[in-house]
Amino acid sequence: AQSVTQLGSHVSVSEGALVLLRCNYSSSVPPYLFWYVQYPNQGLQLLLKYTTGATLVKGINGFEAEFKKSETSFHLTKPSAHMSDAAEYFCALNTGNQFYFGTGTSLTVIP
Amino acid sequence: EAQVTQNPRYLITVTGKKLTVTCSQNMNHEYMSWYRQDPGLGLRQIYYSMNVEVTDKGDVPEGYKVSRKEKRNFPLILESPSPNQTSLYFCASGKAAGVVGELFFGEGSRLTVL
Repeated sequence: AQSVTQLGSHVSVSEGALVLLRCNYSSSVPPYLFWYVQYPNQGLQLLLKYTTGATLVKGINGFEAEFKKSETSFHLTKPSAHMSDAAEYFCALNTGNQFYFGTGTSLTVIP
Repeated sequence: EAQVTQNPRYLITVTGKKLTVTCSQNMNHEYMSWYRQDPGLGLRQIYYSMNVEVTDKGDVPEGYKVSRKEKRNFPLILESPSPNQTSLYFCASGKAAGVVGELFFGEGSRLTVL
């Protein structure tokens, strides 16, 4: 069975500090993996995706994630947090026609 | 502008009163799907459609119906809403069934069932 686990429902970082949001997955077939961001009262926007090929993927707004098959992880990072990064972040897995989302991590950026 | 449009954005209704949430996409996508978002549970897939007249259940289909008569539209129907269907609903579309890849989301429909 496929599943996604996001460690930490709330993460707080200082402005300028490293952002690290954790995502682990379980899949019986090679997955496509995604990170989405949700700002208040909005839908989800794609940050980045891993399908095949290079395991370090770069996305919008300076975010990147690394697919580690041996660790079944797809953690999201950003070297320096900005106030505008405050939002809810979702890790997602796609196999065929089904999508599985994590429970989300709310990121707070402290000035 | 490429977009997924949901209506209504906000709705308060009463138990048992049938309602429909519409979803339309202008990207000629084959794949469309519905999700509900609840605190602490993330997004859960309700139904999805691989193309016109082809639909299938997701993880939480009970109490919902869908139809896909046209490629661009994928309405979500609650025949007899109950309070446990109070939630934030999202429609999303993707280029192709089978290898869906990226999903494009609507802005959400917040439903309250009294």
